[in-house]
Amino acid sequence: DADVTQTPRNRITKTGKRIMLECSQTKGHDRMYWYRQDPGLGLRLIYYSFDVKDINKGEISDGYSVSRQAQAKFSLSLESAIPNQTALYFCATSDRRVRRSGTGELFFGEGSRLTVL
Amino acid sequence: TQLLEQSPQFLSIQEGENLTVYCNSSSVFSSLQWYRQEPGEGPVLLVTVVTGGEVKKLKRLTFQFGDARKDSSLHITAAQPGDTGLYLCAAINAGGTSYGKLTFGQGTILTVHP
Repeated sequence: DADVTQTPRNRITKTGKRIMLECSQTKGHDRMYWYRQDPGLGLRLIYYSFDVKDINKGEISDGYSVSRQAQAKFSLSLESAIPNQTALYFCATSDRRVRRSGTGELFFGEGSRLTVL
Repeated sequence: TQLLEQSPQFLSIQEGENLTVYCNSSSVFSSLQWYRQEPGEGPVLLVTVVTGGEVKKLKRLTFQFGDARKDSSLHITAAQPGDTGLYLCAAINAGGTSYGKLTFGQGTILTVHP
């Protein structure tokens, strides 16, 4: 089983609908992230959370919200989906225990492909 | 926010050829990572470079960190079809409350033809 699990893997919805993407992890990491991937733009950070009670905006948070329900769960919501939110969404985790070398490795889920018509 | 410029964006080569992918910024990196992503999967870490001038090798892949820690390169020797994928560089903020937050380059799509 994957250490970072995203649901759903694929979703097609209509403009104006509310959508929730869920992420759960078994790695025991404190830090969780939501990224969006578009062709030619790499990965862009939407929101991140360093602890259960911690929520931080990334570089493209407008139109999105998140909830950190537990250490292992981090969900992303689109309150009113629009077509330019069509993208591949990735959840990721990292370990807050940092060595001096600071590897900060991210562990990604398999992605959730969202299409907004 | 650090801006990472990755080049080339696309690379299509024949099996056995060598190639180099570049990752550049006007800012100094704390450290830099290279990830590889295959279709239908999330990115997977290949390497982290931390020290200016550092060179790391992973089988046929050689990663170099510039002396000034503003640029990095990934060189693949004798590419194979299994090397096909999206290669992403990512710069790391290694200090303060932003630790672990990465900024990604645009990615290089590599296709190696048999």
